[in-house]
Amino acid sequence: AQRVTQPEKLLSVFKGAPVELKCNYSYSGSPELFWYVQYSRQRLQLLLRHISRESIKGFTADLNKGETSFHLKKPFAQEEDSAMYYCALSGGGTSYGKLTFGQGTILTVHP
Amino acid sequence: ETGVTQSPTHLIKTRGQQVTLRCSSQSGHNTVSWYQQALGQGPQFIFQYYREEENGRGNFPPRFSGLQFPNYSSELNVNALELDDSALYLCASSSSLATQYFGPGTRLLVL
Repeated sequence: AQRVTQPEKLLSVFKGAPVELKCNYSYSGSPELFWYVQYSRQRLQLLLRHISRESIKGFTADLNKGETSFHLKKPFAQEEDSAMYYCALSGGGTSYGKLTFGQGTILTVHP
Repeated sequence: ETGVTQSPTHLIKTRGQQVTLRCSSQSGHNTVSWYQQALGQGPQFIFQYYREEENGRGNFPPRFSGLQFPNYSSELNVNALELDDSALYLCASSSSLATQYFGPGTRLLVL
């Protein structure tokens, strides 16, 4: 079975501070990991996926297979980063494309 | 390019009733996935349709059923509604198994 755990429901930081949103997963094969973001009154949208190795809006995430983690990081948080963040996993084979989400972390960046 | 749309935006039903939710996929996308998001939880995979065929199902009972049409739009049907079916229902479309683009959701309340 595949599982995604986001241990922090709420995370508050001040503008300019580093931020790290934690994500741990459980999956026996080689998963594909994603971070989705939902800004206030907007729909869920993809922030980044590990295979593309991109940095989007200053956020990066590295897949650590040894620790089964995919933490999201940004060195200097901005107020516009305040949103709900979901980590998601897609398994391989017949599970590919069927996303398993974590419970989400609400990030608040204070001025 | 038109994004994913869902209708209706809100719906109130009573226990035992049946409901149909609709999703129009983004132009050029042939895959639609449905998710249920209960309050305070991450989205949970219900099922996926690829070129009008069901292509995987999550841990949901058979009273949750779906359809995909030749234009790749989709319906989610829920029979014998229960109180616990109250949730936000999200649909996401993608081109084969690439990035999923989410609709705004339909909020269902079962009384």
